[in-house]
Amino acid sequence: DAGITQSPRHKVTETGTPVTLRCHQTENHRYMYWYRQDPGHGLRLIHYSYGVKDTDKGEVSDGYSVSRSKTEDFLLTLESATSSQTSVYFCAISEQRSNQPQHFGDGTRLSIL
Amino acid sequence: AQTVTQSQPEMSVQEAETVTLSCTYDTSESNYYLFWYKQPPSRQMILVIRQEAYKQQNATENRFSVNFQKAAKSFSLKISDSQLGDTAMYFCAFMSLNYGGSQGNLIFGKGTKLSVKP
Repeated sequence: DAGITQSPRHKVTETGTPVTLRCHQTENHRYMYWYRQDPGHGLRLIHYSYGVKDTDKGEVSDGYSVSRSKTEDFLLTLESATSSQTSVYFCAISEQRSNQPQHFGDGTRLSIL
Repeated sequence: AQTVTQSQPEMSVQEAETVTLSCTYDTSESNYYLFWYKQPPSRQMILVIRQEAYKQQNATENRFSVNFQKAAKSFSLKISDSQLGDTAMYFCAFMSLNYGGSQGNLIFGKGTKLSVKP
């Protein structure tokens, strides 16, 4: 299994509070991704990173920011959480941008009340 | 923009039988990968099988095989000798290989929930 750790695994918070989710990898892969999974939508890309301090937006980036100060860590921040951001969040990594599959962490279930 | 459609929200199969999950996609590109991921109740996302669009031969991984029809933009997953541990959500996904902003991004279908019954 790819060495990917997401923390926390579960979190409940209130509307308007800031939330940060962490993804940590031990594979030294260049590319890291954040997805959200909602019923009826499958997984959708929020942001991705192609190196330290290099990030770009995905399909559903509004309301989210990311940072990558080290190869092994990719942080997803909800500056002011809203109930519509209640979801399961997955981190993924890949060795190359294309031609390689992405391997996923175990997900973080985030509930915003 | 690419889209991936899984038309079967739920399916069931008896243990030891064969089941086929459907996936169609829409793209104008010629270079891409297709994937099937499995998500059991544990919530993990597990890569099952992948297919390069330029390869005519269908990919196989043990009991899992695909029927890739490029002209029809169809990518079905066949599971042979179904086992109880195959019970999961199955997601079809598309990855563009063409240089550009969407290169390498995974586009997922909405999933098919498969139940294997004893």
